Amino acid sequence: GAGVSQTPSNKVTEKGKYVELRCDPISGHTALYWYRQSLGQGPEFLIYFQGTGAADDSGLPNDRFFAVRPEGSVSTLKIQRTERGDSAVYLCASSPTGGGTEAFFGQGTRLTVV
Amino acid sequence: GENVEQHPSTLSVQEGDSAVIKCTYSDSASNYFPWYKQELGKGPQLIIDIRSNVGEKKDQRIAVTLNKTAKHFSLHITETQPEDSAVYFCAASSLSGYALNFGKGTSLLVTP
Repeated sequence: GAGVSQTPSNKVTEKGKYVELRCDPISGHTALYWYRQSLGQGPEFLIYFQGTGAADDSGLPNDRFFAVRPEGSVSTLKIQRTERGDSAVYLCASSPTGGGTEAFFGQGTRLTVV
Repeated sequence: GENVEQHPSTLSVQEGDSAVIKCTYSDSASNYFPWYKQELGKGPQLIIDIRSNVGEKKDQRIAVTLNKTAKHFSLHITETQPEDSAVYFCAASSLSGYALNFGKGTSLLVTP
């Protein structure tokens, strides 16, 4: 079946602009996660959704970052007033129920802020 | 927060040899330990995982061991093949129970 799908695969934006990154999880998975991966590092947790609600957004670096999952399926990560330091690969993952179950990752969106 | 350390950062082996990657974690409440393989330009792919009530798990050429007392776990790949070349990440479940804390990765190169 289809895996986690992320669009776009690459995004180049100018400093100060607004961007939206989309994630389509595996059908039926109630848990959805966003991670950020900088070059040469492991993924870092940003936010976790269980259904429509953000159960934990403690990993979001500041208030320029926001994510939604209005119908409990597709999620959008939104970044306002982008900075060069936001450049990274943004990864989305989903799992059947959350809470220590297998998390399956998408291919990521490579964001470059110039 | 949880700290996951991973060693070595790079590992080069000859085809057919074994490869071992080791990780330590700091939070005794962690109970889920997955391993991911990441190829260039792709997302991490789950290859094996282990839970805290099990000491060892094997899947064909891949095995993982867990020592909860010492807070360390290891990935063992036997009979390595060139297609095993990739970056491998260990992870441990966080205090929350759902987010994962990742190590910094091991770049494995298997030479023919």
